[in-house]
Amino acid sequence: ILNVEQSPQSLHVQEGDSTNFTCSFPSSNFYALHWYRWETAKSPEALFVMTLNGDEKKKGRISATLNTKEGYSYLYIKGSQPEDSATYLCAYGGSQGNLIFGKGTKLSVKP
Amino acid sequence: NAGVTQTPKFQVLKTGQSMTLQCAQDMNHEYMSWYRQDPGMGLRLIHYSVGAGITDQGEVPNGYNVSRSTTEDFPLRLLSAAPSQTSVYFCASSLLSQVTEAFFGQGTRLTVV
Repeated sequence: ILNVEQSPQSLHVQEGDSTNFTCSFPSSNFYALHWYRWETAKSPEALFVMTLNGDEKKKGRISATLNTKEGYSYLYIKGSQPEDSATYLCAYGGSQGNLIFGKGTKLSVKP
Repeated sequence: NAGVTQTPKFQVLKTGQSMTLQCAQDMNHEYMSWYRQDPGMGLRLIHYSVGAGITDQGEVPNGYNVSRSTTEDFPLRLLSAAPSQTSVYFCASSLLSQVTEAFFGQGTRLTVV
């Protein structure tokens, strides 16, 4: 059974804090690692899709890194804002062609 | 360009009833999938399709049926609803399965009583 683990499960930070989350995934048969942002009452929206070991992607204050050899990815948010409050999902794409999602990290940013 | 459209948004069923959740995409994506989201469980894959005429089972397929007669549509059928199927269902599509981003529908909240 392929497992994707995310930590922490939830996180409460103050506005302006920088934070990071971890996604652990199988290092074998790796094709891609996805990050999604999921706001309450909305649908998940893609942040990044990374395919190469050492990949680093950035979108505004959010960035992500990828280590496929050891099977982990970090998502960083610099200077958190209340509008960053959401659940952040990672998903592993392996040789079967599917995405296996972690349970997510729920971020709450207090003004 | 509507993206991924799911209907209905809400549904209440009685145990034993059947129904179909509709999913349509207008992005000409080959890959489509259905997930269910339960508290503390994350998104779990029910069924998926890599193209018209091709479907396969995901992690939790029991009690559900799918077909893919066109590229655009991927309906999910509940054959005989059970309370354990109370969940939020999401349909998603992507251009090239696991290596391109998935686009999600707005979700269907299903309650089986």
